[in-house]
Amino acid sequence: QSALTQPPSASGSPGQSVTISCTGTSSDVGAYNYVSWYQQHPGKAPKRMIYEVSKRPSGVPDRFSGSKSGNTASLTVSGLQAEDEADYYCSSYAGNNNYVFGTGTKVTVL
Amino acid sequence: QVQLVESGGGVVQPGKSLRLSCEASGFTFSSYGMHWVRQAPGKGPEWVADIWYDGSHKDYADSVKGRFTISRDNSKNTLSLQMNNLRVEDTAVYYCARAAAFDSDEVTTGDYWGQGTLVTVSS
Repeated sequence: QSALTQPPSASGSPGQSVTISCTGTSSDVGAYNYVSWYQQHPGKAPKRMIYEVSKRPSGVPDRFSGSKSGNTASLTVSGLQAEDEADYYCSSYAGNNNYVFGTGTKVTVL
Repeated sequence: QVQLVESGGGVVQPGKSLRLSCEASGFTFSSYGMHWVRQAPGKGPEWVADIWYDGSHKDYADSVKGRFTISRDNSKNTLSLQMNNLRVEDTAVYYCARAAAFDSDEVTTGDYWGQGTLVTVSS
């Protein structure tokens, strides 16, 4: 199972928006609405920000939103804040009780 | 609040074994499936294995199948990962993560994760 493809980096100024893509195949992202997004600060455990493509767990700011089109899922962070600077990873169910994660995107707040 | 605390990591030679544990608290452990996920230095996470809430079903990534065994003790709120015949490429931080509840149709790579335990395989 190959990792989902994410851009290595993305950036934006405070208050701006940034969108991160997560490209898979018709066997994972394209086949299931089970895409999650995680935020990871250095040395910390990943924190789930989005699940089932676009659902936001309680406590996650509504500045974070998710979507999917075909084999590509996206995470948008609106109104960027300094604390949003982190690594972001997507994940998807890949069938046959398997899961696959993305390569990761480092978001920098300029 | 949900807490997951991993332990058991360390430095081990290739071909040796190691057993990881994850102690859960703050929720009804016996009602949830559980995952092990690992993250090699500077890399993205990799799903390793999961187990149903009652231990009746287990699945493994191809990269660890036949070498790793996931298990749980619901009486002790503990998840385990027995790792045999370790390879250099198994070097990673290993996280336990809470999967979906037994009565949920949610499919997730984990809503809560522990802080992880580092496993280094080196001669």
